[in-house]
Amino acid sequence: GAGVSQTPSNKVTEKGKYVELRCDPISGHTALYWYRQSLGQGPEFLIYFQGTGAADDSGLPNDRFFAVRPEGSVSTLKIQRTERGDSAVYLCASSLNRGAAYGYTFGSGTRLTVV
Amino acid sequence: GIQVEQSPPDLILQEGANSTLRCNFSDSVNNLQWFHQNPWGQLINLFYIPSGTKQNGRLSATTVATERYSLLYISSSQTTDSGVYFCAGTLGANNLFFGTGTRLTVIP
Repeated sequence: GAGVSQTPSNKVTEKGKYVELRCDPISGHTALYWYRQSLGQGPEFLIYFQGTGAADDSGLPNDRFFAVRPEGSVSTLKIQRTERGDSAVYLCASSLNRGAAYGYTFGSGTRLTVV
Repeated sequence: GIQVEQSPPDLILQEGANSTLRCNFSDSVNNLQWFHQNPWGQLINLFYIPSGTKQNGRLSATTVATERYSLLYISSSQTTDSGVYFCAGTLGANNLFFGTGTRLTVIP
């Protein structure tokens, strides 16, 4: 597509539920990143994919968070047993190749609210 | 990770005024970039500026890598410049570390 598409744009869920957030990167972009942005803060790195594999998942806060990219295109961020502290905007970005030097294009984000 | 300090945290400008935003890094960084996040949350890359100076219209940026800081200049500000400005850099090749941002409000 023309840009990075994230769905849903908003998600409200109850504490303890499971959620999936989807990212559809720019066609042909091999690198895909997930970031989390809390209110009043800058985005924080979660995980980076190069193709289908998670090249760096060091930013995932705990084992309730998991992400996949099975065909090297669309990625899904999965959060189990959601907690109120997970409330944030989850941003996805893609890049033509690995390395921040190639330029990131960010999606508009999914605003997750855990009540 | 690295610490990224941005100043000022908040800035209010009259339309037409100029301003300078600053970004300090705790360590040497690679791939330094500036982003603008509009009021709808969209993050747009303004500059890839690991060193030196670049200009794009009313915006310009300068990075002094040896002193671990970068500056973003906005001239003749417009209401559409409102939003949050972030600088970010990497330690290695990939993962950007963002600052806490400068929230700019331009009033007509």
